[in-house]
Amino acid sequence: DQQVKQNSPSLSVQEGRISILNCDYTNSMFDYFLWYKKYPAEGPTFLISISSIKDKNEDGRFTVFLNKSAKHLSLHIVPSQPGDSAVYFCAATGGGGSNYKLTFGKGTLLTVNP
Amino acid sequence: DAGITQSPRHKVTETGTPVTLRCHQTENHRYMYWYRQDPGHGLRLIHYSYGVKDTDKGEVSDGYSVSRSKTEDFLLTLESATSSQTSVYFCAISEAYNEQFFGPGTRLTVL
Repeated sequence: DQQVKQNSPSLSVQEGRISILNCDYTNSMFDYFLWYKKYPAEGPTFLISISSIKDKNEDGRFTVFLNKSAKHLSLHIVPSQPGDSAVYFCAATGGGGSNYKLTFGKGTLLTVNP
Repeated sequence: DAGITQSPRHKVTETGTPVTLRCHQTENHRYMYWYRQDPGHGLRLIHYSYGVKDTDKGEVSDGYSVSRSKTEDFLLTLESATSSQTSVYFCAISEAYNEQFFGPGTRLTVL
């Protein structure tokens, strides 16, 4: 049972435009959500996070939106740059004694074309 | 960047042989994790540790064991490697229960 779903395996956008990556979750106990970015042959790096008490968190070109009623979050990258081309993983945690474990989605490959 | 190293970075082995992967941290973080990354599966938790000698299973723990005798080291052992364990293995650490920091990965090929 996949608790964190990234339904788009890939996304292609033009440089300068907005990239929107989506993530859905099923576990209502999740209360903290994270996005990681991964380049080939490297480990994932933390990008941005959001707590369930918020509906938006912004860090420079990156904004994460959370819609708790829909169990949906999205990552917006504006403007997109070629260096943003990577795999993006959505992750979630929360819910009692095991809240130090992250559950990851399968990832979305973002390609930003010059 | 968090001080996390993994060794070896690449390994090719044969089916049935034991393999040990090492994760070493210099951050003194309490929690350590082992994940594997496979196409179409994302990152899946194998085992994790919440302190020295305190470990527990993740979602794909069959065929793997771990040990943590010191805060800084977390070992992942494949007792008898199988071709299905060919993967990229990542170690991660965290102090708080939220953000995890990942190592560079170990690419393991089991022939």
